[in-house]
Amino acid sequence: DIQMTQSPSSLSASVGDRVTITCQASQDISNYLNWYQQKPGKAPKLLIYDASNLETGVPSRFSGSGSGTDFTFTISSLQPEDIATYYCQQYDNLPTFGGGTKVEIK
Amino acid sequence: QVQLVQSGAEVKKPGASVKVSCKASGYTFTGYYMHWVRQAPGQGLEWMGRINPNSGGTNYAQKFQGRVTMTRDTSISTAYMELSRLRSDDTAVYYCARGPYQPLGGWFDPWGQGTLVTVSS
Repeated sequence: DIQMTQSPSSLSASVGDRVTITCQASQDISNYLNWYQQKPGKAPKLLIYDASNLETGVPSRFSGSGSGTDFTFTISSLQPEDIATYYCQQYDNLPTFGGGTKVEIK
Repeated sequence: QVQLVQSGAEVKKPGASVKVSCKASGYTFTGYYMHWVRQAPGQGLEWMGRINPNSGGTNYAQKFQGRVTMTRDTSISTAYMELSRLRSDDTAVYYCARGPYQPLGGWFDPWGQGTLVTVSS
């Protein structure tokens, strides 16, 4: 199985801050990497697919980049409604998820 | 609109089986894979497997091989996930999620609302 190492596991930032989350794959996965947002008690929601493509309807403050083994997810200006846990997911092989990053407001 | 609606919460005893349903609407059921993902309390997401609703073909995560069975009924656009020989650490919310019709898994969108399965004696 391809292992996905996501960091940090949690972070605290102020409204308006730039937030960055990284995800590292245990082997080359090209751009087969997606990002999800999960709010407490809710199902995950797709934000970014194929490393850098913004899902329709998702605010442009969310972005993704990377290829191969190293990927980055960015919130350009953190908003109160962005409080959630974020997960990366690869699909070069059978799908696997990163461990998640819990984002809180400072 | 595209929607996945899952069956209700279940409480099961260790050793029993559970079968969760996922009814799709708003799209051609046989045109997309259906995946199952679970989340233990306070934990991350864990992919369990997928079914091709067109052929009935399945792929399961190694961890669940021999215990999980995914099926579908195309006449009612519903996918099922059955997990047998339940243990306490199978207590989790189980999600179905639609994936693109391609050999690789792709992305999951949308997701069902989740079904809480509690395993307790």
